[in-house]
Amino acid sequence: QSVLTQPPSVSGAPGQRVTISCTGSSSNIGAGYDVHWYQQLPGTAPKVLIYGNSNRPSGVPDRFSGSKSGTSASLAITGLQAEDEADYYCQSYDSSLSAHVVFGGGTKLTVL
Amino acid sequence: EVQLLESGGNLVQPGGSLRLSCAASGFTFSSYAMTWVRQAPGKGLDWVSAISGGGGSTYYADSVRGRFAISRDNSKNTLDLQMNSLRAEDTAVYYCAKVYYYAGSGYYYEYWGQGTLVTVSS
Repeated sequence: QSVLTQPPSVSGAPGQRVTISCTGSSSNIGAGYDVHWYQQLPGTAPKVLIYGNSNRPSGVPDRFSGSKSGTSASLAITGLQAEDEADYYCQSYDSSLSAHVVFGGGTKLTVL
Repeated sequence: EVQLLESGGNLVQPGGSLRLSCAASGFTFSSYAMTWVRQAPGKGLDWVSAISGGGGSTYYADSVRGRFAISRDNSKNTLDLQMNSLRAEDTAVYYCAKVYYYAGSGYYYEYWGQGTLVTVSS
């Protein structure tokens, strides 16, 4: 059971907008810790999509955006494309854990 | 271009040991903390360990503390993970990643290697 909760799967048709939620608690997201999002294409290593809640690294299309409110964060993908089909993970920190770093369980995005 | 290349993954029996390595290039290795993250087959990401740029500070997940040891050789630009007393639940692809600090104290995993598979089975 992950400390950060994500839906196991979401889907959308090409061109549509989808959102992926990441729900935490008062010891992680709600404590003010930043949330990062990673995309893992099939058979490849994860790649950072969003850092610091809403910042895109250079090279990441502006179709991807992130937000945070209270104890939750969201990743939004607009203009869905076939190549967006991947697993998405949120990551933050937790003050109740000695190691601090926590990942969500991951969400499989299917482009219909 | 930043490159991270893991090696050392293998099939090992329960209770056995294995040493993973990560060869880094394309950046000033000693200036960056590094981390290991693993992914069990068909499962999500699981943070394992991290080490500061100078190597003086190390951090471990509770599940591996006392069994795994992270180290680095800044003269060779290599990161290692010594894994002892391996268990079936340690079976995973192990990724090394470069840590990037921003805005004072926030950090994320900027670049990842391709991973190396560790299988613990008799």
